Amino acid sequence: DVKVTQSSRYLVKRTGEKVFLECVQDMDHENMFWYRQDPGLGLRLIYFSYDVKMKEKGDIPEGYSVSREKKERFSLILESASTNQTSMYLCASSSGTDFGYGYTFGSGTRLTVV
Amino acid sequence: AQKVTQAQTEISVVEKEDVTLDCVYETRDTTYYLFWYKQPPSGELVFLIRRNSFDEQNEISGRYSWNFQKSTSSFNFTITASQVVDSAVYFCALSGGLDTGRRALTFGSGTRLQVQP
Repeated sequence: DVKVTQSSRYLVKRTGEKVFLECVQDMDHENMFWYRQDPGLGLRLIYFSYDVKMKEKGDIPEGYSVSREKKERFSLILESASTNQTSMYLCASSSGTDFGYGYTFGSGTRLTVV
Repeated sequence: AQKVTQAQTEISVVEKEDVTLDCVYETRDTTYYLFWYKQPPSGELVFLIRRNSFDEQNEISGRYSWNFQKSTSSFNFTITASQVVDSAVYFCALSGGLDTGRRALTFGSGTRLQVQP
């Protein structure tokens, strides 16, 4: 089974801190994604990557950056955490270059910024 | 722009009732895929089904069935004889395609289903 592992299930950080959320997949998937999930808003795409060192902005990239130095790892960075970034963060991966592959998701990281 | 609308925020049913979750989408892609995912209380989203835009046949898998109607841009999900284990948040999602070039899925806001014993 494809596994997508997010390093932390729960995180509490202070406003202004630099925060790293890590995601690792073990099935050699080309594509990796970061979404945030908020009540009533569903999942919104922050960034995604379809190859090592490649990244594309999603729908809500402001306040975030990403890093993909190795194929299996995709990191989401909050340069200076703010309270409006309190959310559930979901990492996902998928295979292939066409548009129809479904995702495998990690269990999520619930981030609270105080 | 792509958009997925799940107008039902929350549905509550009693066990053994049938329930339909609605999904309406907008896209300018001529080829696309539609998905349903389930998010149980544990939090991890689980893939349920993928449907190609050229395949309008309904699909049934056990107690689950899906009705895809391109004419109304809808991809509805029905659970027959619901069970308490069906309680979850369900998301409908839409892929990108060659026209938009969007490589990532667009998700709806989700429908929370509560099945009471």
